[in-house]
Amino acid sequence: SQQGEEDPQALSIQEGENATMNCSYKTSINNLQWYRQNSGRGLVHLILIRSNEREKHSGRLRVTLDTSKKSSSLLITASRAADTASYFCATDPPSTDKLIFGTGTRLQVFP
Amino acid sequence: SQTIHQWPATLVQPVGSPLSLECTVEGTSNPNLYWYRQAAGRGLQLLFYSVGIGQISSEVPQNLSASRPQDRQFILSSKKLLLSDSGFYLCAWSVTGSGEKLFFGSGTQLSVL
Repeated sequence: SQQGEEDPQALSIQEGENATMNCSYKTSINNLQWYRQNSGRGLVHLILIRSNEREKHSGRLRVTLDTSKKSSSLLITASRAADTASYFCATDPPSTDKLIFGTGTRLQVFP
Repeated sequence: SQTIHQWPATLVQPVGSPLSLECTVEGTSNPNLYWYRQAAGRGLQLLFYSVGIGQISSEVPQNLSASRPQDRQFILSSKKLLLSDSGFYLCAWSVTGSGEKLFFGSGTQLSVL
């Protein structure tokens, strides 16, 4: 079963706007990760945030984590057409080596 | 540097035929290995993962199986494919340990007709 659920399922914005995607999960975690997938390709790791961290930045990416609400958000600032892709959150259930992915958000950035 | 190879890129198979998808990793030792399946426009479903040679954990009971005959080789198999086995299959590896980031192969698009 899937651990995470992304919201919204799909998002369309103009270049230059910010894109915010949310992820909710069910169990306790060690960390939460965000991945990007271009159509028909493998996933690429974007950023990892540990359970004792609340916010993390990487370039135009900003990730927040609220373990009390079991939720995370990914913000892409000043979006570009090249950011068009699906974005997934992934969590690691306790005491396992598994990484469980959410359902994904399809982001479309129009030039 | 580490690389992951997954092949073939596309595969069309008739119902009832066997399947063998292979994934190999280079440049690392004792990786965790994973097989995921993705239905069109959907999220990833974990099928199998392995923390060592011959150690396979199955997440979803079905007619697929996985094997790890060598440290950096992970094989996904089926004796008889079903229509419902169609999908995008992704192999991935991580360093040993829980919660580590995954490195994905380029995927195999399987169509069962």
